[in-house]
Amino acid sequence: GAGVSQSPSNKVTEKGKDVELRCDPISGHTALYWYRQSLGQGLEFLIYFQGNSAPDKSGLPSDRFSAERTGGSVSTLTIQRTQQEDSAVYLCASSLVGQEGPQHFGDGTRLSIL
Amino acid sequence: RKEVEQDPGPFNVPEGATVAFNCTYSNSASQSFFWYRQDCRKEPKLLMSVYSSGNEDGRFTAQLNRASQYISLLIRDSKLSDSATYLCVVNLSPSGGYQKVTFGTGTKLQVIP
Repeated sequence: GAGVSQSPSNKVTEKGKDVELRCDPISGHTALYWYRQSLGQGLEFLIYFQGNSAPDKSGLPSDRFSAERTGGSVSTLTIQRTQQEDSAVYLCASSLVGQEGPQHFGDGTRLSIL
Repeated sequence: RKEVEQDPGPFNVPEGATVAFNCTYSNSASQSFFWYRQDCRKEPKLLMSVYSSGNEDGRFTAQLNRASQYISLLIRDSKLSDSATYLCVVNLSPSGGYQKVTFGTGTKLQVIP
């Protein structure tokens, strides 16, 4: 597809379970970002990947959160031992690096922790 | 001071009105700027880039004031479909192509019939 693809679209899980969210960026985009957004709130930066460089993890809220990006393309965001406050929409975006290009967002994964 | 600040609104304006939003940024080395639009329960979508000389796209005009460190978005002849939250984005590229992108928390616009 031409855009950023995220899966699943919706995820409902019980507190304490682990979840894995997937992002497939636009082909050729070397920069990839994860954000989360709670209802009615702004975007909260989580992590940024650029090419083969070490990721900027400064936005991860706790050590329960981790992300990786394999082969410079697909990324997975993992939340371990989920808590109710993890409920939010998790958005992935990608962009071209070097052109200071804008980010293009996926539709997001709506995560609900029961 | 926040890196990027926006008035959260809401701005309630009648159809046909002209409305303007400002966004201030704290880092004078910031290099590129964008306006995004986000509809309720949807992902942000790029509305327009902001160029140093100012730029226009139909009813939308974006301007950059580096001296005062703000960008603005002007919407003329507001339509009901313009109702959304408008996010200001500032991009700083300190070195080696690494980007630091900061989103504002958004300004909510409600256009009233």
